[in-house]
Amino acid sequence: RKEVEQDPGPFNVPEGATVAFNCTYSNSASQSFFWYRQDCRKEPKLLMSVYSSGNEDGRFTAQLNRASQYISLLIRDSKLSDSATYLCVAGTGRRALTFGSGTRLQVQP
Amino acid sequence: EAQVTQNPRYLITVTGKKLTVTCSQNMNHEYMSWYRQDPGLGLRQIYYSMNVEVTDKGDVPEGYKVSRKEKRNFPLILESPSPNQTSLYFCASSFLLPDRPNEQFFGPGTRLTVL
Repeated sequence: RKEVEQDPGPFNVPEGATVAFNCTYSNSASQSFFWYRQDCRKEPKLLMSVYSSGNEDGRFTAQLNRASQYISLLIRDSKLSDSATYLCVAGTGRRALTFGSGTRLQVQP
Repeated sequence: EAQVTQNPRYLITVTGKKLTVTCSQNMNHEYMSWYRQDPGLGLRQIYYSMNVEVTDKGDVPEGYKVSRKEKRNFPLILESPSPNQTSLYFCASSFLLPDRPNEQFFGPGTRLTVL
């Protein structure tokens, strides 16, 4: 079983839609959680950290459920530029981050 | 500009021919790491370093070596590359101290093909 599991997608959604991704992690010692965005053949870039209380950054909302060991990302009012692969990340500290395989999002006009 | 650089960006080589992929960061980060990315497997950590002269194995270290002689550089060495090391490689760096931002910055990637 992978340590961090994500639905690979692709999620094909129209512009303006709301889309949600979930991710589960198996290591209960995980303390830090992130969502990274990766465009095709490019390097991953931090989208947002995920905090226990949940956090929002513009159209993006991240939630953490420690009891069920899952992390979610909600994107509202999808834009064409949101098309990318979204990587869920769990870490036991700054040294060791485990990346999910990613969920591909395609926003269509 | 704050960045992580990798060289070369693309490399095609043959089995057994030693190669080095360089990685350099200009953000004074203590932590540096190498990952490989393969379809369906995501990013897997090869080696990491928490400071100069301090390195440790990640999840998939076999067939790789690293060194950290200077804080800014963290080269990845393949002594005898094999076709199963064909992959997309990323170098990343970040601060370690808890009072600093914990974002990992990634280099642009090196696409390696071993024939």
